[in-house]
Amino acid sequence: AQSVSQHNHHVILSEAASLELGCNYSYGGTVNLFWYVQYPGQHLQLLLKYFSGDPLVKGIKGFEAEFIKSKFSFNLRKPSVQWSDTAEYFCAVTDLYNTDKLIFGTGTRLQVFP
Amino acid sequence: DGGITQSPKYLFRKEGQNVTLSCEQNLNHDAMYWYRQDPGQGLRLIYYSQIVNDFQKGDIAEGYSVSREKKESFPLTVTSAQKNPTAFYLCASTDRIATNEKLFFGSGTQLSVL
Repeated sequence: AQSVSQHNHHVILSEAASLELGCNYSYGGTVNLFWYVQYPGQHLQLLLKYFSGDPLVKGIKGFEAEFIKSKFSFNLRKPSVQWSDTAEYFCAVTDLYNTDKLIFGTGTRLQVFP
Repeated sequence: DGGITQSPKYLFRKEGQNVTLSCEQNLNHDAMYWYRQDPGQGLRLIYYSQIVNDFQKGDIAEGYSVSREKKESFPLTVTSAQKNPTAFYLCASTDRIATNEKLFFGSGTQLSVL
C-alpha cells in the first residue's frame, strides 16, 4: 500500500533561515501530491499541490515544492521563514489504486523563533 | 458561509459506550472523509465516502462505523470495540481528490475516555 514518510519530525529555525522539509512516498506511477499546513488553533489548509506539468510548484505564503519522480520525493521549501510559519506541515499522496483516497505523512512540526 | 461543521468540539466517552461525532458540510461536495490525528502519527484514514449511501473502510476502520444517508452529513460512531479511542478526529470533504481537488477540513473533535 502507498505510504508517505516525513523524516523531519520537529524542526527549529530562526527567522530568515531557509527551510526544506522532506517527503517521500513508496509507490510510483501517477500520483497527486499535496502539502497541508495546520497553524496553531486553525483548520488544516492546503499549502500547495502537484498534479502534472512543471515539477516545481508554488503555493501560498512563499512556499514551493519540487516533485522528483526518480526519487519519489516532494520536498517543501521556503527561502526565508517567518515566525508566522510556525505550524505543523503534512505531506499527502493519493493512493496508487484509489485516487480518491489520500494518504498523509506523520507530519513535521516547525518552530520558528524571532 | 460555506464550510464543514464538526460537533461537539470536545467529547468524553465512558468505558463500553458508543459515541457519535457529527460532520456536516454545505459545500455540496460528493466525497467526505474521517481522519484520526494522534501526536507523532499524522492523519490516518478511518472511513471515506465518495457518494451518498456508499462508503469504504480506510486504514484503521476497526471499532468505527459510519453512515452516509445524506450528501451533507457523514457521522462517525466510535464503538466500544475501539480500545484506544482518545484522539483528535477530523472530518473533511472535497469534490474529487482524483481531479486534484483539495480537501476542506473541519475544526475537529477531541475525544477522550473517562
